[in-house]
Amino acid sequence: EVQLVESGGGLVQPGGSLRLSCAASGFTFSSYDMHWVRQATGKGLEWVSAIGTAGDTYYPGSVKGRFTISRENAKNSLYLQMNSLRAGDTAVYYCARRGGGVYLNAFDIWGQGTMVTVSS
Amino acid sequence: SYELTQPPSVSVSPGQTARITCSGDALPKQYAYWYQQKPGQAPVLVIYKDSERPSGIPERFSGSSSGTTVTLTISGVQAEDEADYYCQSADSSGTYPFGGGTKLTVL
Repeated sequence: EVQLVESGGGLVQPGGSLRLSCAASGFTFSSYDMHWVRQATGKGLEWVSAIGTAGDTYYPGSVKGRFTISRENAKNSLYLQMNSLRAGDTAVYYCARRGGGVYLNAFDIWGQGTMVTVSS
Repeated sequence: SYELTQPPSVSVSPGQTARITCSGDALPKQYAYWYQQKPGQAPVLVIYKDSERPSGIPERFSGSSSGTTVTLTISGVQAEDEADYYCQSADSSGTYPFGGGTKLTVL
């Protein structure tokens, strides 16, 4: 079964750091671009970061310079290092696979999400 | 990055047709994708490349594109279709914007 499982969420103080992990299974992880998408409670989806198969990375302006996406293909794992966290970063963070191929830029597989709360 | 605009809400009666629009300046050049999200669940892809339907998605879900607007159409809406729907695209700089989401209410 194709699956993504996030972990590492929790409560962190403003200005603090947190590292999220996403464990992939059921597919050749190294062959796919991977993404993080977040959703604040009651709000919409917000794309957070992407990493290509070659390790190229992309971020929106809202997190650039504070968040770092990385991958470890040998462990079928995706990571998101979040620094200088703010209250506005509070959200459920989803790991998602870019389908590629016929799916092109669609996110065809999603994890169940991990909650990050930034509060004092 | 560019913005995608959706109506906040759409309401239809069971059996009717629901249409949810998504507008963006780059949509004539970039494909759009649609996701369904039910409370407490992760999003599910329902339409890719403007109008293609993944396997397992009911035929009542369809998509279309015209100029700067793409439309998700749900024909013969059922109670189980009540959910939030998001459009998404990609731009040439490597970013992946989402629309603000539309809450579909089945009356």
